[in-house]
Amino acid sequence: GNSVTQMEGPVTLSEEAFLTINCTYTATGYPSLFWYVQYPGEGLQLLLKATKADDKGSNKGFEATYRKETTSFHLEKGSVQVSDSAVYFCALSPDTGGFKTIFGAGTRLFVKA
Amino acid sequence: DAEITQSPRHKITETGRQVTLACHQTWNHNNMFWYRQDLGHGLRLIHYSYGVQDTNKGEVSDGYSVSRSNTEDLPLTLESAASSQTSVYFCASSEAGGGVNEQFFGPGTRLTVL
Repeated sequence: GNSVTQMEGPVTLSEEAFLTINCTYTATGYPSLFWYVQYPGEGLQLLLKATKADDKGSNKGFEATYRKETTSFHLEKGSVQVSDSAVYFCALSPDTGGFKTIFGAGTRLFVKA
Repeated sequence: DAEITQSPRHKITETGRQVTLACHQTWNHNNMFWYRQDLGHGLRLIHYSYGVQDTNKGEVSDGYSVSRSNTEDLPLTLESAASSQTSVYFCASSEAGGGVNEQFFGPGTRLTVL
């Protein structure tokens, strides 16, 4: 079946450090891939997305590339800020069988000043 | 602006009581979803609907029910609340078809069952 595995947190970084959060997936066909972010006390919101192999999604300095050969969609940011502290969810939407989204367990990021 | 709202934002109830959590969206989306979020489990799908009068069970549907009488609302009912249902509940919606199925989330309801 479809599944998403992402690195366990929490991840603690100093401001301006480089961020990588690993995400791998299992799915048949060509799913769409997403990163959602959840700030404290709020619901999830879409951070970026990619719909086909080798696509790069980007937003607010974050990037992720859809790698079909390694079934990965790792999230990166070159210089994190305190305001990036949040929980990050990797997710996929299968290309068949309805409109459900499968979420990873989430990775909490703490950025220290 | 279109939005998705949930009420109440916080609820404390007792074991055995019936509880209904409201979800209302003004995106005019056909697809609506209910999730619960618990530490160590991420988001788990409870029920979902692809349109009026359509409802489907998700992976953790036992003890929950939903009904869809219009496009805007998908209330979630806990028929007899249990302590294991203490959680944060999120409602989400998305467009039907047409490419990438981005979901839009409400702010969540924190439910405590004593």
